Amino acid sequence: ILNVEQSPQSLHVQEGDSTNFTCSFPSSNFYALHWYRWETAKSPEALFVMTLNGDEKKKGRISATLNTKEGYSYLYIKGSQPEDSATYLCAPDMEYGNKLVFGAGTILRVKS
Amino acid sequence: NAGVTQTPKFRVLKTGQSMTLLCAQDMNHEYMYWYRQDPGMGLRLIHYSVGEGTTAKGEVPDGYNVSRLKKQNFLLGLESAAPSQTSVYFCASSYSKLAGEETQYFGPGTRLLVL
Repeated sequence: ILNVEQSPQSLHVQEGDSTNFTCSFPSSNFYALHWYRWETAKSPEALFVMTLNGDEKKKGRISATLNTKEGYSYLYIKGSQPEDSATYLCAPDMEYGNKLVFGAGTILRVKS
Repeated sequence: NAGVTQTPKFRVLKTGQSMTLLCAQDMNHEYMYWYRQDPGMGLRLIHYSVGEGTTAKGEVPDGYNVSRLKKQNFLLGLESAAPSQTSVYFCASSYSKLAGEETQYFGPGTRLLVL
């Protein structure tokens, strides 16, 4: 069973703060890394799918980087807003079959 | 376009009872998945299907069976429910073209309580 670590487990920030979280995964046999955003009482929704070492994705105030050689990805949120409050999940695909292994997630709470 | 739907939304079972969870998608996706989500843990893959008529085991398959008789439906069965199967169950689907690079689309979840 693959070990996917996300840190921190939870984060409380003030509106306007910038923040980042980490996803660590085994670097061998890597094919893709997914980030999902999961709001309370809703379903997980895809943020990014990353495949190449050095890949960087951006959607509005949210961006992500990927290091496949060392097995980690960072998710950044610039100028956090209360609507960014959610659990952020990462999931690598290690078997090229879209069989994702999810981390436990980072819970972000943004206070206004 | 409803996306991924799950039936029922909530169910209470007694130990030993059986039930079937239904997942339906209208996006013509080849791949479908069943996950369970427990407090403090990530989504764990129970079973998955890469096409109509095919199924495969995921990380935690014991105590569950699945069937994919139609492309749009993926059924998860519990033959004899146990309290350890109390969880929230999520279904997801995706295209197959780019395999691991394809986004998975999730249903709203089914909350199951086994007494």
